[in-house]
Amino acid sequence: VQLVESGGRLVQPGGSLRLSCSASGFTFRNYWMSWVRQAPGKGLEWVANINKDGSDKYYVDSVRGRFTISRDNAKNSLHLQMNSLRAEDTAVYFCVRIEMFQFDFWGQGTLATVSS
Amino acid sequence: SYELTQPPSVSVSPGQTASITCSGDKLGDTYTSWYQQKPGQSPVLVIYQDTNRPSGIPERFSGSNSGNTATLTISGTQGMDEADYYCQAWDSGTAVFGGGTTLTVL
Repeated sequence: VQLVESGGRLVQPGGSLRLSCSASGFTFRNYWMSWVRQAPGKGLEWVANINKDGSDKYYVDSVRGRFTISRDNAKNSLHLQMNSLRAEDTAVYFCVRIEMFQFDFWGQGTLATVSS
Repeated sequence: SYELTQPPSVSVSPGQTASITCSGDKLGDTYTSWYQQKPGQSPVLVIYQDTNRPSGIPERFSGSNSGNTATLTISGTQGMDEADYYCQAWDSGTAVFGGGTTLTVL
């Protein structure tokens, strides 16, 4: 199993960013997927989930309406579109596979920094 | 919103048993998972569905969950177990993490 995130960079407050995750080593379309973030020096915070075919999505309250999780099962990829970014969105964003009730495999993370 | 509470830090001597608690309302009615994170690394699942160890996780890691408290127990703690530990549960389709516990082996 391999999950490789990309797309993190420095962006100004109010800006947008699109994170991507390339999955390999397993049948991507058979799993729910998630984004989990970790602000510098802080704990883990769940951000969003998406079901196997992309028809069902869940978000933490602080990002609902600003972030959109999506997936492309043909390309084995997961995405997170982040709009109206705030300083408090600065974090390492992990792409995570969900197996039943647990997050069983994590990517290495990509750092998104929101600052002027 | 649902909250999980962990002690910020736990200290243990090498070879002794470390216990890290995670508290939440009726937590025993749902499954709890535990993750280990070492500095500069991604989290690793060490316990799932309250009591199960993934392949490759040493037998010294065990878990329990009852009432309002889930517990991660590390028996015969080793220096390599020094890390941050996070509990996690589900609440109506959303995931919740505890604040994390730093385990120090000294």
